[in-house]
Amino acid sequence: GEDVEQSLFLSVREGDSSVINCTYTDSSSTYLYWYKQEPGAGLQLLTYIFSNMDMKQDQRLTVLLNKKDKHLSLRIADTQTGDSAIYFCAVGDSNYQLIWGAGTKLIIKP
Amino acid sequence: DTGVSQNPRHKITKRGQNVTFRCDPISEHNRLYWYRQTLGQGPEFLTYFQNEAQLEKSRLLSDRFSAERPKGSFSTLEIQRTEQGDSAMYLCASSPLGRNTGELFFGEGSRLTVL
Repeated sequence: GEDVEQSLFLSVREGDSSVINCTYTDSSSTYLYWYKQEPGAGLQLLTYIFSNMDMKQDQRLTVLLNKKDKHLSLRIADTQTGDSAIYFCAVGDSNYQLIWGAGTKLIIKP
Repeated sequence: DTGVSQNPRHKITKRGQNVTFRCDPISEHNRLYWYRQTLGQGPEFLTYFQNEAQLEKSRLLSDRFSAERPKGSFSTLEIQRTEQGDSAMYLCASSPLGRNTGELFFGEGSRLTVL
């Protein structure tokens, strides 16, 4: 079946950039999302990109899409302690029947 | 409106019992979705409604699982004859029609523990 792979953990120093990577197998994926999950809170959409785009920037967030390699990345500039969370990559050809990665836990070191 | 509300937040039950979870979506949202999330995994799609119509249910895990949204507002997810493998977080999400980002608004989930 289709699959989405992410590293389970990423540790960065406060103020540095964080880059969270995701690879997927379904080349027909149209919707590509990054959701954030904080402890005790529901999943929240962080940002998204559609398959006809290569890059999207939104304040401290940059999403890069390499369709040839089926690789999606999320860069968070100037990482803060409030960015500590689990980040999920989710892709699919509809906005709800998504294939989700297992999530990357972002750990911020002071 | 404060967002998607799910109840109960945590349910502990014995194997073989039936459980029901309730989801109240954001009031103007036509679409409602149920997902399951096990520890260390991402959400797994189960079913979805547009208003009161259940448009996709083939991903429900077995015939022990059923969902309803009788008046197009709140929804219930019932699991009959629970098994230990049903232990998971059950997530509800909603979205409005016509939102081109496809953003889903998730509740905080209902955690099921089957002993």
